[in-house]
Amino acid sequence: GQQLNQSPQSMFIQEGEDVSMNCTSSSIFNTWLWYKQDPGEGPVLLIALYKAGELTSNGRLTAQFGITRKDSFLNISASIPSDVGIYFCAGRQAGGTSYGKLTFGQGTILTVHP
Amino acid sequence: GAVVSQHPSWVICKSGTSVKIECRSLDFQATTMFWYRQFPKQSLMLMATSNEGSKATYEQGVEKDKFLINHASLTLSTLTVTSAHPEDSSFYICSARDDLRGGGDTQYFGPGTRLTVL
Repeated sequence: GQQLNQSPQSMFIQEGEDVSMNCTSSSIFNTWLWYKQDPGEGPVLLIALYKAGELTSNGRLTAQFGITRKDSFLNISASIPSDVGIYFCAGRQAGGTSYGKLTFGQGTILTVHP
Repeated sequence: GAVVSQHPSWVICKSGTSVKIECRSLDFQATTMFWYRQFPKQSLMLMATSNEGSKATYEQGVEKDKFLINHASLTLSTLTVTSAHPEDSSFYICSARDDLRGGGDTQYFGPGTRLTVL
C-alpha cells in the first residue's frame, strides 16, 4: 500500500537543539497525525491535525497541516534525552474507501546526545 | 483518557500452537479497531480492520484463516494467530478509534504484544 515519505530517516543531535521532520505525499490527506514510539512499546499520539493550514502545539512540540494537504511537519524545540525514539507521521487519505484507515510514514529515528 | 491495553505483553509458544491476543479500549467505546504488525526498525503494517458486530476486513496478503479476528464488544477485539510458525514471530500492535471523540481518524495504540514462536 501507499506510504508517506518521511524524512529524515534518522537524526543525531545534541541536547538543547531543535529538531524538524516532515512527511510528504503525492495524494491529498484529510488528517495528519504524529506519533512517538519507544522501543518495545506502542506508538503514543503526540499531535492530531484536522484542517489544512492548522498549526498545533503540545509543549515543546509543534506540528502543521500543510496548505496543499499533501504534507506535514513536526518540530521539537530544545530537545532533551527523553525525546529519543521513533517518530511516525500518519494520515488518512482523502477519498479513501476504507473509513479510518491510516497510512504511515517510514519513521524518523531520533537520538539525543546529552 | 483514550487508553488501550493489550494482553499479553509478550508470549513465547511452540510451533503449531495458537495464540490469542486481546485488545481493550479501557475508557472509551471503539466500534473500529485495527491490528498491525511491526518488524524491527520498520513502520507499522496494517493487517486488518476489526469491526464490532461484523467481519474483519483484511489487507491484501494477510491470511484471514491464519489471523482470526473477533470484535465481540465495543471495547474488545481479539487476534488469534492459528498454527503459529517461527515466521509469525513479530510485534503485534492494536489501535482503536474513539467513537465519540471529535476527529474520528485518530487512532490510539495499545502497548503491543511481542510474539516469539519457537
